[in-house]
Amino acid sequence: NAGVTQTPKFRILKIGQSMTLQCTQDMNHNYMYWYRQDPGMGLKLIYYSVGAGITDKGEVPNGYNVSRSTTEDFPLRLELAAPSQTSVYFCASSYGQGSSPLHFGNGTRLTVT
Amino acid sequence: DAKTTQPNSMESNEEEPVHLPCNHSTISGTDYIHWYRQLPSQGPEYVIHGLTSNVNNRMASLAIAEDRKSSTLILHRATLRDAAVYYCILRDVINSNYQLIWGAGTKLIIKP
Repeated sequence: NAGVTQTPKFRILKIGQSMTLQCTQDMNHNYMYWYRQDPGMGLKLIYYSVGAGITDKGEVPNGYNVSRSTTEDFPLRLELAAPSQTSVYFCASSYGQGSSPLHFGNGTRLTVT
Repeated sequence: DAKTTQPNSMESNEEEPVHLPCNHSTISGTDYIHWYRQLPSQGPEYVIHGLTSNVNNRMASLAIAEDRKSSTLILHRATLRDAAVYYCILRDVINSNYQLIWGAGTKLIIKP
């Protein structure tokens, strides 16, 4: 199993540009998550999904959109990139909620200038 | 905001045990205590979790205080590969669903 795969690994955007961060998992997990991590900080939840067709906002959803058309894929869309969105983005999945461990990808490092 | 308190950093010598403390004085009766670690330039990795009893797995042990207001992650014999940021995490409700709330963690430095 590849686990959770994120692409791209790095990206530089200009202010106002848009992009999609890709995330796919091959563990048949229902739950998927997008986090961002600013330098020296813990992770902040952006959006999450409890199954295909169902998404909900996390702690910091402004400026982002998600969709979940399949169990495997959970892309994160930035429509109008801003410098405040410079961060490292992590996608994760889990079998269930509660005590189920999260499995993380290796992240996408995004810089907006 | 995170519901746990951890030291910003700790140092330990290679091949010695490491005890990483965590305070969670507002923990509820049904909250699991989760530990993850993040190696440099990687995504977080699950380490261990527990509810009331002490837990052991191949990576670490988790000792939970009797009143559950604190816990300690124990690495029995630290290696250089254990240098990472260790997160002690509880859940909180976000939009009617329980989600893990991450603090800044403890940066563990292993000295050769």
